[in-house]
Amino acid sequence: NAGVTQTPKFQVLKTGQSMTLQCAQDMNHEYMSWYRQDPGMGLRLIHYSVGAGITDQGEVPNGYNVSRSTTEDFPLRLLSAAPSQTSVYFCASSWGQGDGSPLHFGNGTRLTVT
Amino acid sequence: KNQVEQSPQSLIILEGKNCTLQCNYTVSPFSNLRWYKQDTGRGPVSLTIMTFSENTKSNGRYTATLDADTKQSSLHITASQLSDSASYICVVRGAGAAGNKLTFGGGTRVLVKP
Repeated sequence: NAGVTQTPKFQVLKTGQSMTLQCAQDMNHEYMSWYRQDPGMGLRLIHYSVGAGITDQGEVPNGYNVSRSTTEDFPLRLLSAAPSQTSVYFCASSWGQGDGSPLHFGNGTRLTVT
Repeated sequence: KNQVEQSPQSLIILEGKNCTLQCNYTVSPFSNLRWYKQDTGRGPVSLTIMTFSENTKSNGRYTATLDADTKQSSLHITASQLSDSASYICVVRGAGAAGNKLTFGGGTRVLVKP
């Protein structure tokens, strides 16, 4: 059981470049989300989706786009990379947003923007 | 602003010893409190989820306690093992007026030495 798979594991971008971080889950979870993790700070929600075709902004959405065309996939797009987007990005999924539904995280993408 | 504060930021313990991690939160009202374990270079993995009406929950050598009156939780690790070396993250889900969102603490980094 693969769970949540993120690719790539590492990426270096130059300022202004764009890229897509991939996330796929094989647990048929309706809820998927993207977080960024910076040193000394808690995980912060970027965007989330409660099902195919439905997305919404989280706490820090600026500079990022998402789409959800299938239940399994939830890619995160960086439109024009900035050094402030240097971070570790985690994708997570769960049965729902409600009580008792733990998040299942991927192993992250470490992004450096120079 | 809803906050989740964890202490200490880091600690070192000897293999076989016990330790307790603290989590104080201001999220109110809340529906549940979660503890996650994050190994270096990996995504967080759920350890326990407690609703506001639960006082304690165990997962093997991990025992979480919750005092909703004082808005404090603790995670106790019994007979620590080298594999317990990780960051431990406290997460609180709000409810009602606090919003149905997760607020993450900054984590406590635990190093278990032989």
